[in-house]
Amino acid sequence: NAGVTQTPKFQVLKTGQSMTLQCAQDMNHNSMYWYRQDPGMGLRLIYYSASEGTTDKGEVPNGYNVSRLNKREFSLRLESAAPSQTSVYFCASSEVAVYGYTFGSGTRLTVV
Amino acid sequence: DQQVKQNSPSLSVQEGRISILNCDYTNSMFDYFLWYKKYPAEGPTFLISISSIKDKNEDGRFTVFLNKSAKHLSLHIVPSQPGDSAVYFCAARTLQGAQKLVFGQGTRLTINP
Repeated sequence: NAGVTQTPKFQVLKTGQSMTLQCAQDMNHNSMYWYRQDPGMGLRLIYYSASEGTTDKGEVPNGYNVSRLNKREFSLRLESAAPSQTSVYFCASSEVAVYGYTFGSGTRLTVV
Repeated sequence: DQQVKQNSPSLSVQEGRISILNCDYTNSMFDYFLWYKKYPAEGPTFLISISSIKDKNEDGRFTVFLNKSAKHLSLHIVPSQPGDSAVYFCAARTLQGAQKLVFGQGTRLTINP
C-alpha cells in the first residue's frame, strides 16, 4: 500500500532553473494538495485540486504552477527557481478532509 | 494573517506524564479541527479530529478538547511515551474552504525517559 508517492526526495537547483515535483496517489482520492513547510511557518498551501480537471490557488501560489494530469497524479512546477523557494514540499490527498489527509514523505528542495 | 496559531515551538515532558499541546484560532467559521503528528523525514500523519459541535473527542491515549468561546483547542496525551516525540500540527477547516486545511506552525514534543 504505497499511499502518496513523491519524487524526487531531494533536489538542489541553481537560481533560475526549472523543475517539476511529481506526486501520485493510489487511494482513488478526489482531492490533492501541495504544501510547503518552512521553519516557524508550519504547512502552507500552495495549490490544490478538489477533483480531476480542477486546480485552485492556495495561500502561497506565486512562483508555482500545477497540473492535475489525471485522478492519480498532481505535479508542481517551479518555472524559475528562487532561493525563497528553498523548503520541504509535501503532496497530500484526501477523500474527505475531516478524515485526514494522507501525506507523501516530502521533497527537500534547496535553491542556491 | 495566521488563522491557526501554536504559540509554543517546543515542549518537553517526562515519560509517563501528561503532555498538553495547545492551539488557538481566529476564524469562527472553522467547523473541524485536526491534529497531525510528524516524525523527521516523514510526512505528517493524521492523529485525531473534533467537530465544532463537540467539546471533547477521545481516542486511546489521545484526547482533544475544544473551547469555542475561547477559540482554543488542546491535545492531551496520557501517558506520554518516548514514541510520542515528534512535531505536532493542529489544523482547521471551514465549510466554505472545500477540503482545504489551514495548519498551525507546529510544536516539537520531546518525551524524556
